[in-house]
Amino acid sequence: DTAVSQTPKYLVTQMGNDKSIKCEQNLGHDTMYWYKQDSKKFLKIMFSYNNKELIINETVPNRFSPKSPDKAHLNLHINSLELGDSAVYFCASSQEDRVRETQYFGPGTRLLVL
Amino acid sequence: SQQGEEDPQALSIQEGENATMNCSYKTSINNLQWYRQNSGRGLVHLILIRSNEREKHSGRLRVTLDTSKKSSSLLITASRAADTASYFCATASAGSNYKLTFGKGTLLTVNP
Repeated sequence: DTAVSQTPKYLVTQMGNDKSIKCEQNLGHDTMYWYKQDSKKFLKIMFSYNNKELIINETVPNRFSPKSPDKAHLNLHINSLELGDSAVYFCASSQEDRVRETQYFGPGTRLLVL
Repeated sequence: SQQGEEDPQALSIQEGENATMNCSYKTSINNLQWYRQNSGRGLVHLILIRSNEREKHSGRLRVTLDTSKKSSSLLITASRAADTASYFCATASAGSNYKLTFGKGTLLTVNP
């Protein structure tokens, strides 16, 4: 009965590879987000989808491509991984299509690029 | 760009003491939220305070908001070892309702 789940929890890969992280929420929320948390714990939003429509796209390299097959899922595909992509990636969801209420976070995916 | 700045960056106290963390921000906000992150875990929402509110309580948590100074504080009373975590403030800017901007967090350590 996990609210926001992510897979995998850990991802270790070589530079240049392509990888995907999956996120699912069973809260019935309309909006989902991807955040990146760096080694200094700074959390920065990357993307947000509302009802499968992209509504936030921060300055993120186009090697990162989000995909929302339905409003319960938001996946993140990363091409040509670089050392600087090593971080913890968090998925989150919220109740309404406006950030007036809380966001619910997944447990994170720890990505290490070697 | 970063919106919230927490202060202090790290705080170490004894169990039973109160912990106060501060957050400053730069632009007008719709609301300000505080989240907790235990080591190796995702963020958990603690409390939300709207721009027209000045103070809010939830259990042992008390949040204040001063929009004239663009600052907020989080007070945890009678702290417990289980309160050890990083605490982040996040702002929802007026006119950008879809986006939360997080600060760098305060690492709170409560010693038993």
